[in-house]
Amino acid sequence: GAVVSQHPSWVICKSGTSVKIECRSLDFQATTMFWYRQFPKQSLMLMATSNEGSKATYEQGVEKDKFLINHASLTLSTLTVTSAHPEDSSFYICSAVQGAVEAFFGQGTRLTVV
Amino acid sequence: GQNIDQPTEMTATEGAIVQINCTYQTSGFNGLFWYQQHAGEAPTFLSYNVLDGLEEKGRFSSFLSRSKGYSYLLLKELQMKDSASYLCAVRGLSGYSTLTFGKGTMLLVSP
Repeated sequence: GAVVSQHPSWVICKSGTSVKIECRSLDFQATTMFWYRQFPKQSLMLMATSNEGSKATYEQGVEKDKFLINHASLTLSTLTVTSAHPEDSSFYICSAVQGAVEAFFGQGTRLTVV
Repeated sequence: GQNIDQPTEMTATEGAIVQINCTYQTSGFNGLFWYQQHAGEAPTFLSYNVLDGLEEKGRFSSFLSRSKGYSYLLLKELQMKDSASYLCAVRGLSGYSTLTFGKGTMLLVSP
């Protein structure tokens, strides 16, 4: 199946700093990628839809100025958590769709803000 | 809006069969997915149903009834490594790829 690579796998940062997470589709082109957040024992919550060459579409309640998404190419989308706070600590996962059916997920990024 | 319900936890023994149910109420329907997620890892795709009926894939089968808003995932010949969270996800009509996930069912397989 298709491969989606997410980096880093885990990161610890100080409160107030920014963290960038990368999501790459390794063997296919993804015009659309999705960013999810998952708190412990909770479901995946869609944060935003990242579209290549255009602005991301954010879900209700997600601050677009805090979670900056850039989809500069057909194989790369980045999520930057700006001015991170402890409540932003979570598991962030990206996914990309190949064709019209399957969504392939990156490995996830465990963010801990201290 | 979307509302997806599945049991929180289930237990079963090695070698047994287990069925995980999922009911959904959505404003539109364009397919139902099942994913497996081990703790701290990303979900992996298991199955996809868009028409009514049963889809079989090795030890895993998934069933869909669109009129009832109901699906189940059937796992046969359970193995210890099947202990994981199983996520039911529905694709609506708003954005062909946008998935709404249920909270997941934690399956614990014991010897």
